[in-house]
Amino acid sequence: QSVLTQPPSASGTPGQRVTISCSGSSSNIGSNTVHWYQQLPGAAPKLLIYTNNQRPSGVPDRFSGSKSGTSASLAISGLQSEDEADYYCAAWDDSLNGLFGGGTKLTVL
Amino acid sequence: QVQLVQSGAEVKKPGASVKVSCKASGYTFSSYDINWVRRATGQGLEWMGWMNPNSGNTGYAQKFQGRVTMTRNTSISTAYMELSSLTSEDTAVYYCARVQGYSSAWYPDPWGQGTLVTVSS
Repeated sequence: QSVLTQPPSASGTPGQRVTISCSGSSSNIGSNTVHWYQQLPGAAPKLLIYTNNQRPSGVPDRFSGSKSGTSASLAISGLQSEDEADYYCAAWDDSLNGLFGGGTKLTVL
Repeated sequence: QVQLVQSGAEVKKPGASVKVSCKASGYTFSSYDINWVRRATGQGLEWMGWMNPNSGNTGYAQKFQGRVTMTRNTSISTAYMELSSLTSEDTAVYYCARVQGYSSAWYPDPWGQGTLVTVSS
């Protein structure tokens, strides 16, 4: 069981807005920034959001991140079929470990 | 561009060791740490540890302490991850990734393409 808790699944129809939550504690999300990754089937994880709400160049502005206290969220607006993937939150823990959430499988209906 | 290229798939027997390589290009290898992360089938991403290419210093997740060794060869800009005493539960895709820093600066990016390690008798 991961220290960072995510829902195992989420779904939405094309054009819809979906959110994925990530819950941690004071030693990780509460004291460090949160990052989000997208992993398409058969591919390596790709950085989607870093430092809570920053998008790397090339990531569409349909993707946004937020953080409050010991929780964070990833929002995807204007859902598209190519968004179907696994999504992971990540944060450094003050115990000197990197942490990933358990992952959320997003299905586009 | 920054790129990490990993070695090919491996098949190992239980009890054996595996060594995966990660060759960096497009940046100064010694300036950024390398982290290793794995994903077992049907599971999520699991952080294994870090290695500083400049000093050779390492830090491992408690789960892998005593079984994992991360090293480097700076002359060829290559990092290595060796995992010993393999069991079927170590069957996974192993990734290397460059990190910007630690604490709030820790976010692995970019990642290597992954190396599938299969442990089977």
